[in-house]
Amino acid sequence: QVQLQESGPGLVKPAETLSLTCSVSGDSVGRGGHFWTWIRQRQGQGLEWIGYIYYSRSTSYNPSLQSRVTISLDTSRNQFSLTLNSVTAADTAIYYCTWGLGDWSQGTLVTVSS
Amino acid sequence: EIVLTQSPGTLSVSPGERATLSCRASQVFDSTYLAWFQQKPGQAPRLLIKGASIRATGIPDRFSGSASGTDFTLTISRLEPEDFAVYYCHQYGSAPWTFGQGTKVDIK
Repeated sequence: QVQLQESGPGLVKPAETLSLTCSVSGDSVGRGGHFWTWIRQRQGQGLEWIGYIYYSRSTSYNPSLQSRVTISLDTSRNQFSLTLNSVTAADTAIYYCTWGLGDWSQGTLVTVSS
Repeated sequence: EIVLTQSPGTLSVSPGERATLSCRASQVFDSTYLAWFQQKPGQAPRLLIKGASIRATGIPDRFSGSASGTDFTLTISRLEPEDFAVYYCHQYGSAPWTFGQGTKVDIK
């Protein structure tokens, strides 16, 4: 079973950059077969797909976030990362990283506030 | 973008009863790429069904999924106390991937 653990600041100031890293154990981010994905969930709301990266480093992003988001892969550290620029309060959410459909991180709350 | 509309928003069911949850897509897509998730408060979503009808590893057989055109159904044949949760459908066949807004199954 693949295990995923996010790391990164829990508090980000408005207009700044949100950066999260997902550390993977039990599989290699450089191996094909599944998408490495970021999903978020605002308080009391549903799930929102942010985007994914494949082992080939091809990416796909939610059009609503595309101008601000980057997902990258670090095979040497077996991690993948999320960067979201120019954040606002609307970006306050629990952020999950996933491997395929079945393996999810526990989620990390990121609050955007001054 | 494929919009997934789930109904009802809330379903009140007694333990032991059957629950039927609906997910309708705004356009046709390959049902191979439709999944259902269960989420309980404070927890990450758990995969129940992939490929519209294939139970994920360890999922009890009281959970079943089906597809007909743009209509997808999750059925819980006999609700157990641990099944009261929010359920989401999710399509991952056409970018951008999308989720339904969720159906909350609560105790009647």
